[in-house]
Amino acid sequence: AQTVTQSQPEMSVQEAETVTLSCTYDTSESDYYLFWYKQPPSRQMILVIRQEAYKQQNATENRFSVNFQKAAKSFSLKISDSQLGDAAMYFCAYKEDQGAQKLVFGQGTRLTINP
Amino acid sequence: NAGVTQTPKFRILKIGQSMTLQCAQDMNHNYMYWYRQDPGMGLKLIYYSVGAGITDKGEVPNGYNVSRSTTEDFPLRLELAAPSQTSVYFCASSYSPVSSYNSPLHFGNGTRLTVT
Repeated sequence: AQTVTQSQPEMSVQEAETVTLSCTYDTSESDYYLFWYKQPPSRQMILVIRQEAYKQQNATENRFSVNFQKAAKSFSLKISDSQLGDAAMYFCAYKEDQGAQKLVFGQGTRLTINP
Repeated sequence: NAGVTQTPKFRILKIGQSMTLQCAQDMNHNYMYWYRQDPGMGLKLIYYSVGAGITDKGEVPNGYNVSRSTTEDFPLRLELAAPSQTSVYFCASSYSPVSSYNSPLHFGNGTRLTVT
């Protein structure tokens, strides 16, 4: 079974600084998707960024970028120029290419932004 | 707009008892999900539905059943409660598939279930 591990229960960063959240996963599949979701207190799980495993280029969405190391099964999220609105729980997630709606989530990392 | 509503918030069951966790959403979402979260662990998908009348197993379906007779409701049934089912259960819904941008997963507040 696939597993996703986030080893940082909590992280904090000064406003305008850069922070990196770690995620590792385990799978025997070669085609899959990886995601970072943000969950603010509203309890919505918002997709921040998505990476297809067959793509070598790291995904980027504005201030959010990933470092995807397929051989190492590592998928970290970098948030540049941190803003107060970035404070939330962040979940790393995995989905098999053929797995429809079956997301496997990590434990989550609570990110605090210090003004 | 209530979003996703789960009931009850807390429940204690004896081994072998049955219960239904209720979930309702008022956003006309086609996609609905049941997750469980054990202490210190990530969310695990139990069952999901892509529309009324359509359900499918997730990662950990054993010991559970679901039905989706309407778009709004997606109840989760535990037939013979076991201590291994002690967990926090979350219902969620989304307008589009989970891997879509601009289509958040809306979660309920959860049901904390203890089986003794």
